[in-house]
Amino acid sequence: NAGVTQTPKFQVLKTGQSMTLQCAQDMNHNSMYWYRQDPGMGLRLIYYSASEGTTDKGEVPNGYNVSRLNKREFSLRLESAAPSQTSVYFCASSPGDFYEQYFGPGTRLTVT
Amino acid sequence: AQSVTQLDSHVSVSEGTPVLLRCNYSSSYSPSLFWYVQHPNKGLQLLLKYTSAATLVKGINGFEAEFKKSETSFHLTKPSAHMSDAAEYFCVVRSYSGGGADGLTFGKGTHLIIQP
Repeated sequence: NAGVTQTPKFQVLKTGQSMTLQCAQDMNHNSMYWYRQDPGMGLRLIYYSASEGTTDKGEVPNGYNVSRLNKREFSLRLESAAPSQTSVYFCASSPGDFYEQYFGPGTRLTVT
Repeated sequence: AQSVTQLDSHVSVSEGTPVLLRCNYSSSYSPSLFWYVQHPNKGLQLLLKYTSAATLVKGINGFEAEFKKSETSFHLTKPSAHMSDAAEYFCVVRSYSGGGADGLTFGKGTHLIIQP
């Protein structure tokens, strides 16, 4: 099993450009999550999907949109990138509430 | 709402000596608590979890943590540090608010340095 995979690993964007971060899991988990990690801030939840077909905002959703394409895949879209979105983005999945989350390797995004 | 405070941003110990990483939490409901480790330029790996069973929880790589409700603490310990333990450690809380899932709340992290 690959676990949680993310593409791309690295990306550089110019301000105003758009892009989609891809995430997939092969563990048949119901719940999936997107976090961002900034120095000294820990991880902060952007959006989550408790099950296929549902998505909800987390702590820092502004500037992002998500799509739960099917049970395996959960994508994060930046419609108009800003330098404040420079961060490392992690996708995670979980069997459901109160279970641990399994993390992907991360995408390092720089917006200039 | 829940929150997590990791009391030390950096901890430095010598190889072979004990490790203590401190974590306090607040939660309106019975929490689930986790410790994750992140090695440089890697994703996060679960070390251990507490979900209202035994209060002393054993994890991977010799780590353990004790849930103390009266102190609202969940400190991480290891009897003898190894060079490979050098990493960032995150204390994480999740509590059920009745309004549905909302992910995990992370502490800001403790950077563990192992001196040879």
